[in-house]
Amino acid sequence: IAGITQAPTSQILAAGRRMTLRCTQDMRHNAMYWYRQDLGLGLRLIHYSNTAGTTGKGEVPDGYSVSRANTDDFPLTLASAVPSQTSVYFCASSDSNSGGGNEQFFGPGTRLTVL
Amino acid sequence: GQNIDQPTEMTATEGAIVQINCTYQTSGFNGLFWYQQHAGEAPTFLSYNVLDGLEEKGRFSSFLSRSKGYSYLLLKELQMKDSASYLCAALDSNYQLIWGAGTKLIIKP
Repeated sequence: IAGITQAPTSQILAAGRRMTLRCTQDMRHNAMYWYRQDLGLGLRLIHYSNTAGTTGKGEVPDGYSVSRANTDDFPLTLASAVPSQTSVYFCASSDSNSGGGNEQFFGPGTRLTVL
Repeated sequence: GQNIDQPTEMTATEGAIVQINCTYQTSGFNGLFWYQQHAGEAPTFLSYNVLDGLEEKGRFSSFLSRSKGYSYLLLKELQMKDSASYLCAALDSNYQLIWGAGTKLIIKP
């Protein structure tokens, strides 16, 4: 693979269930991010990781957790899904957390519906 | 608070020029990004500005005025494939991207 992949592509989930969204990149990027995108709103950062072994909270972290055991993988877990977590979730990565012109590369997204 | 403002929707004609404006208010500033997002797809990088002025890249150009907290994306010789949402995002003092809601650009023949 080349780039960043996400799984599943889409999922319908009953409220209260636990769900893990997977994200893998093969670009050896230090930084990784999880966003949600809702109609009429900008991308909102859920959690991020500046390097393997570290994570941080973004703008909307409640109800979500992440881990970064290695450089390539950055799973996002919903411990007990609620309908307000219905959204499109994008994983992204960048070469360095120190910004500059380091663009973020996005995965194809996961469309999650919580009923 | 931090805020990015851009128009919700714009319409333009194939072959014409369109300018999409973005104003930002962030705690610190480390640059301004523009991304393109086609419906149902992921955002893809278009441009990055950190210094005042115009950056040209083919049919697309991006302008930044740091003193005014203002940027625009200029698209020339519009093609039907340019129909997409255009996302403005500012990099704050913590090097986190603050995203606008996006401008949906509709191109008519």
